[in-house]
Amino acid sequence: GAGVSQSPRYKVAKRGQDVALRCDPISGHVSLFWYQQALGQGPEFLTYFQNEAQLDKSGLPSDRFFAERPEGSVSTLKIQRTQQEDSAVYLCASSSQGVSAYEQYFGPGTRLTVT
Amino acid sequence: RKEVEQDPGPFNVPEGATVAFNCTYSNSASQSFFWYRQDCRKEPKLLMSVYSSGNEDGRFTAQLNRASQYISLLIRDSKLSDSATYLCVVLNTGGFKTIFGAGTRLFVKA
Repeated sequence: GAGVSQSPRYKVAKRGQDVALRCDPISGHVSLFWYQQALGQGPEFLTYFQNEAQLDKSGLPSDRFFAERPEGSVSTLKIQRTQQEDSAVYLCASSSQGVSAYEQYFGPGTRLTVT
Repeated sequence: RKEVEQDPGPFNVPEGATVAFNCTYSNSASQSFFWYRQDCRKEPKLLMSVYSSGNEDGRFTAQLNRASQYISLLIRDSKLSDSATYLCVVLNTGGFKTIFGAGTRLFVKA
């Protein structure tokens, strides 16, 4: 079956531009996570959705970062006024259960480069 | 101090070798533990969960030591295809935040 998909796969933005990154989770998966992964580091948690409810956004680095999942399926991570330090791979993951202690299936990521 | 710490390596081992990685965590309330594998420029994939009693899956054995707050991964009879970064993952009680270590790089040589 289809896995988690993300688009675009690559994004180059000029500093100050807004970007929107999309995640299509596995159909029927309740949980959705966003992570930021810098080169040579592990994924850093950004936010968690259970269906359409954003239950944890403690990892969002600033108020320039905003995520939504309005219908409990597709999610969008928006970064306003991008900065160079936002350059990273943004990973989305979904899980079939409503708690996070289950296998997370990751998408291929969006590689964001801010110039 | 990071919540989850791993030796970054790299570990360079010959095929057939046994190699072990440790991962320490700082929050004693941590309740769930996993090992994920990430190939170069690919997404992470679950390798195995780590149970209190320890668990084995083929050539891979994971153990948890709550008293010392570390988990370990043992790989026996290493294959070339085991070359990857191994990520230690911890979940704290009552939370949704999944905490990844920075990963340990393994290179298995012919």
